[in-house]
Amino acid sequence: GDSVTQMEGPVTLSEEACLTINCTYTATGYPSLFWYVQYPGEGLQLLLKATKADDKGSNKGFEATYRKETTSFHLEKGSVQVSDSAVYFCALSDLDFNKFYFGSGTKLNVKP
Amino acid sequence: GAVVSQHPSWVICKSGTSVKIECRSLDFQATTMFWYRQFPKQSLMLMATSNEGSKATYEQGVEKDKFLINHASLTLSTLTVTSAHPEDSSFYICSARVLGAWGLRDLYGYTFGSGTRLTVV
Repeated sequence: GDSVTQMEGPVTLSEEACLTINCTYTATGYPSLFWYVQYPGEGLQLLLKATKADDKGSNKGFEATYRKETTSFHLEKGSVQVSDSAVYFCALSDLDFNKFYFGSGTKLNVKP
Repeated sequence: GAVVSQHPSWVICKSGTSVKIECRSLDFQATTMFWYRQFPKQSLMLMATSNEGSKATYEQGVEKDKFLINHASLTLSTLTVTSAHPEDSSFYICSARVLGAWGLRDLYGYTFGSGTRLTVV
């Protein structure tokens, strides 16, 4: 079945460091891929998405490219801020958006 | 817009008691709600899908008599964990499908509650 695997955390970085959170997926069809972010005490928020191969999703300085050949959707940011401290979830959905499959989440801690 | 309010944020209960978790859509009508559960270091797993005014659809392996879902109105869905046991301790989170212009593929979006940490002692 469909599934998502993402790197375990926590990830601790200093401010302005580069970030990569790895995410790989297994899917039978042509899923859409997402990154969600959960700030402390809040719900999951959509960070970015990509709906087909080679699409690049971007938002708030974060980027992720849908790589079908490596079945990956790694999240990257060139310079993290303290305010980026949160839990990041990689997810995929089927074409009808009836189901989401989430990774286990990666906690990011950014220190000043 | 499209906010889902979930409460309580955390709850501790004794084994054998029941716990109710509520999710309210504050500024939109949620015809479909999804309930997820996450065990430590594991993925968010879909438990059930509820549609307003009809019975919930449970995923394989989820006990419908233990996890009662009620979606009686377009703004409220509840999950009741009946006769809770320590193995039910988990993080529960709801999500609502939102029809709107900002939705994915211009059709739907999803908004999530903030989650409930349940600890059964």
